[in-house]
Amino acid sequence: AQTVTQSQPEMSVQEAETVTLSCTYDTSESDYYLFWYKQPPSRQMILVIRQEAYKQQNATENRFSVNFQKAAKSFSLKISDSQLGDAAMYFCAYRSVILGEYGNKLVFGAGTILRVKS
Amino acid sequence: GAVVSQHPSRVICKSGTSVKIECRSLDFQATTMFWYRQFPKQSLMLMATSNEGSKATYEQGVEKDKFLINHASLTLSTLTVTSAHPEDSSFYICSASGDLYNEQFFGPGTRLTVL
Repeated sequence: AQTVTQSQPEMSVQEAETVTLSCTYDTSESDYYLFWYKQPPSRQMILVIRQEAYKQQNATENRFSVNFQKAAKSFSLKISDSQLGDAAMYFCAYRSVILGEYGNKLVFGAGTILRVKS
Repeated sequence: GAVVSQHPSRVICKSGTSVKIECRSLDFQATTMFWYRQFPKQSLMLMATSNEGSKATYEQGVEKDKFLINHASLTLSTLTVTSAHPEDSSFYICSASGDLYNEQFFGPGTRLTVL
């Protein structure tokens, strides 16, 4: 079974600075998807960024980028120019590409609370 | 992106009563829906997965007789918490997937408080 580990329960960053959230995972599959989700105080889950394992190029979305190290099974999220609105809980998630009878489940990490200081 | 709604957003009920939570995909057909439970400052715990017209598949440790899931149409799934007790108080989140290849789109969640 796949597992996702987020070793940082909480992180803090100064506004306009850069922060990196860590995520490691364990799988025996060669192809899969990795995600970062943001859950602000409203608790609405928001997809931040997605990485397909067969793509070597790291995904980027504006101020958000990932460092995907497939051999090391590491998938960190870098937030540049941090803003107050980035304060949230961030979840790393894994999804297999192997189709199951009921679609593909997401395997979530424990989450990292990000605090942004003004 | 695709929109998923949940109703109600918040519900308070007395112990022993049943509560129904609706999850709707507003602008796409959801062949698969997922139900999660989340405690404060914790991760999402998958409770069950359902396909339209089929019985739900429950995760290990989730009581299927307590958490009844119905996925009657391609746009609606319901979670009924039967004979609710204070320990069932939690935040319940649904997500929907358009087909086996699509990502999951999340609803805004429902906060259940059982007195």
